[in-house]
Amino acid sequence: AQSVSQHNHHVILSEAASLELGCNYSYGGTVNLFWYVQYPGQHLQLLLKYFSGDPLVKGIKGFEAEFIKSKFSFNLRKPSVQWSDTAEYFCAVNAIHDMRFGAGTRLTVKP
Amino acid sequence: SQTIHQWPATLVQPVGSPLSLECTVEGTSNPNLYWYRQAAGRGLQLLFYSVGIGQISSEVPQNLSASRPQDRQFILSSKKLLLSDSGFYLCAWSVPGGADNEQFFGPGTRLTVL
Repeated sequence: AQSVSQHNHHVILSEAASLELGCNYSYGGTVNLFWYVQYPGQHLQLLLKYFSGDPLVKGIKGFEAEFIKSKFSFNLRKPSVQWSDTAEYFCAVNAIHDMRFGAGTRLTVKP
Repeated sequence: SQTIHQWPATLVQPVGSPLSLECTVEGTSNPNLYWYRQAAGRGLQLLFYSVGIGQISSEVPQNLSASRPQDRQFILSSKKLLLSDSGFYLCAWSVPGGADNEQFFGPGTRLTVL
């Protein structure tokens, strides 16, 4: 069965710091990869996704993620975080109906 | 455009009581539907999914059940709640046969079992 590991449970950064959240998955077949974000009091929403093509994927709000197949990784990055990026971030791997989420990383950005 | 609704938004129930959470999707036909539970620090766990009316696949054996009485309606139920059923329940939908299998999530129901 596929699984997803997120390396950090809670990350605290100051505004303008760079961000990288780790995500590794285990699955032998073709997968689609996602990062979802949950802002306080809001729906879970899609940040970015990868399913084919360029392994460097750009999403909303300046986020990007790089799919490295050899490392089974899909790390999320942002060069300069803002206070409004405070949220919980979930990495997910999907093969047809079998969507697996990581445990999530809570990001706190200090103003 | 498509929208997904869940109700109630919050629910407090005693142990042993029944449960019924409802999810409806508007603006699409024959969606794939999903129920997840989100527990603090543990991410989202897929509970059930459905590819059509009356078709339910269970991912985790437990005292919960799901039903899909109509194309765009998905119900999560229990006959007798346990304390461990407390959590945040999310409904999601995806386009059938969608190339990237992106799922769209509802606002969730926070269930507290006392």
